[in-house]
This record gives sequence, C-alpha cells and structure tokens, in this order.
Amino acid sequence: AQTVTQSQPEMSVQEAETVTLSCTYDTSESDYYLFWYKQPPSRQMILVIRQEAYKQQNATENRFSVNFQKAAKSFSLKISDSQLGDAAMYFCAYKWWGAQKLVFGQGTRLTINP
Amino acid sequence: DSGVTQTPKHLITATGQRVTLRCSPRSGDLSVYWYQQSLDQGLQFLIQYYNGEERAKGNILERFSAQQFPDLHSELNLSSLELGDSALYFCASSGGDGSNEKLFFGSGTQLSVL
Repeated sequence: AQTVTQSQPEMSVQEAETVTLSCTYDTSESDYYLFWYKQPPSRQMILVIRQEAYKQQNATENRFSVNFQKAAKSFSLKISDSQLGDAAMYFCAYKWWGAQKLVFGQGTRLTINP
Repeated sequence: DSGVTQTPKHLITATGQRVTLRCSPRSGDLSVYWYQQSLDQGLQFLIQYYNGEERAKGNILERFSAQQFPDLHSELNLSSLELGDSALYFCASSGGDGSNEKLFFGSGTQLSVL
C-alpha cells in the first residue's frame, strides 16, 4: 500500500527566511503525482505545488519549490522569503497515475515568527 | 475561493442521528470526491463520483453513503452517528475522472457528534 510520511509535526521559521518541509513516500509504482497542500486556519485545502514523477525538473511556484528525489522517494517543499500568510498546516500527498484518490501524510504545522 | 461550495459549514448533532452534507462542485466539473479529516486518522479518501456514477471507494463506512445528482451536486449521508464520526468532511471536485487532474477542495463541513 502507498504511504506518505511527514516526519516533522511542527516547524517554525523567522519571517523572510527559508524553510524546508520533509516528505517521504512509499510506492511500487513508477507513474504518479506528488502534491503539497496548505491548510490555513480557514481550513480550506489549497494546492501549493504539484510534481509529476516522470519529470526530472523540480516544480516551482513563485516562492515555493520542491526537491524531488525519485530514487530516494523523497519530496521536500522549500518556502523562500517566508511570509506571515504562509503559516498553516502543510500536507504532502501522493496519487498514482490513473487512480482517483489522494493519499495524505499527517501534516506539518508551520509557524512564522515575525 | 476554489469554486467548490459545501453546506453547512458546521453541524452539531447527537449520537444515533442522521445528517446530510451537501457539495456543489466547480462549474463544469464532473467528479466529486469526499474526504474525512480527523485527529486520529488524518485525511482519508471516502468516495468519488464521476458524472453521477460511483467511480472509486475508499475507507467509507457502511453507515455512510453518497450520491451525485443530475445537476452534479453531491450529498454525503451519515447515519447512526457515533462520537468517532466527529470530523471535518471535505468535498473536492475535478473536471474529468480524476486520473490526471488537480483537485479543488471546498472549505469543509465540521461535524460534531455529542
């Protein structure tokens, strides 16, 4: 069964600094997608970034980038120039190509210190 | 705003009761997904409907059922409620059958069973 592990229940960073959130996953599939979702206090799940496993290039979205290591089954999220609005729960998620469901990690609570 | 609408936002009920959660997908989206977020189980996939038909089933209890109507809105019915059913229930939608698409989440319905 596919599993997603986020080993950091909580992280904190000073405003304007860079923080990296870790995620590892377990799968025997070769074609899949990986995601980072943000859940602010409003509770809404917001897609931050998506990575297709067949792509070697790491995905980036403005201040958000990933370090995708397929062989190591690692998918970390780097947030540069952290802002107060980045404070939220961050969930790593996996989806096998052709499947319908997302498998989520347990989440990392990110605090931004002013 | 994701375009996915869930009602009600909050629901408080008693054990043994039955409730219905409603979801309106983004305009034009054919797939609706239901997820449950609880403290002990995390985020878990319950069920997916695509254009009115059940497409995938996850960890959904027999006391729970869902359907998608011709206008594509969906309802999740929870019956014989137990304390452990207290959770945040998310609906998400996507344009196609979900194989290769991004999901857009609603803000959730917070269910409290007392």
